[in-house]
Amino acid sequence: ETGVTQSPTHLIKTRGQQVTLRCSSQSGHNTVSWYQQALGQGPQFIFQYYREEENGRGNFPPRFSGLQFPNYSSELNVNALELDDSALYLCASSLDGRAEAFFGQGTRLTVV
Amino acid sequence: AQTVTQSQPEMSVQEAETVTLSCTYDTSESDYYLFWYKQPPSRQMILVIRQEAYKQQNATENRFSVNFQKAAKSFSLKISDSQLGDAAMYFCAYGMEYGNKLVFGAGTILRVKS
Repeated sequence: ETGVTQSPTHLIKTRGQQVTLRCSSQSGHNTVSWYQQALGQGPQFIFQYYREEENGRGNFPPRFSGLQFPNYSSELNVNALELDDSALYLCASSLDGRAEAFFGQGTRLTVV
Repeated sequence: AQTVTQSQPEMSVQEAETVTLSCTYDTSESDYYLFWYKQPPSRQMILVIRQEAYKQQNATENRFSVNFQKAAKSFSLKISDSQLGDAAMYFCAYGMEYGNKLVFGAGTILRVKS
């Protein structure tokens, strides 16, 4: 069984740039959720994708967007990066949107 | 809106002893799930234990057990025979089946002393 994998593990971007983060869901899972975790805080829900459709969104601006592919992998795109976007971005997968989710190792984004 | 509160920013325990991490939550729902996740310095969130709200019996996974008090909306984690590898940030989380998100607390840093 393949776990949740995210890429890249680290990246540094300049304010105003755009970034794409990637996530491969656990084998057999069709639901992917993205979370933002600021330093020293708990993860905050960004949005969820279920069978290629957005299935719920947290309190994040439209410059945070996502995509899910037919193989259930997913991308998180952030436009017009701001310094406050610096955080650990976590991807979690589950089956059919069930509550129990399994996380990847995260992508550490630093905006300078 | 559901909220999760972890009132202990940091806890310490001696190796081989027992420690309890606290969590309270607020919801108007009757069916939901509660989780404890462990996040070591490697950053990956690891599911430690889960509890279904409709089950009265407290969940247990080896050295980890919970005390689930539904009426009080309390969900504490007990770690027995603490090991150095237990040192990490622990998050309490609330979720609903098919509810599309988990709500996390702010976390508790657990330090294990040898």
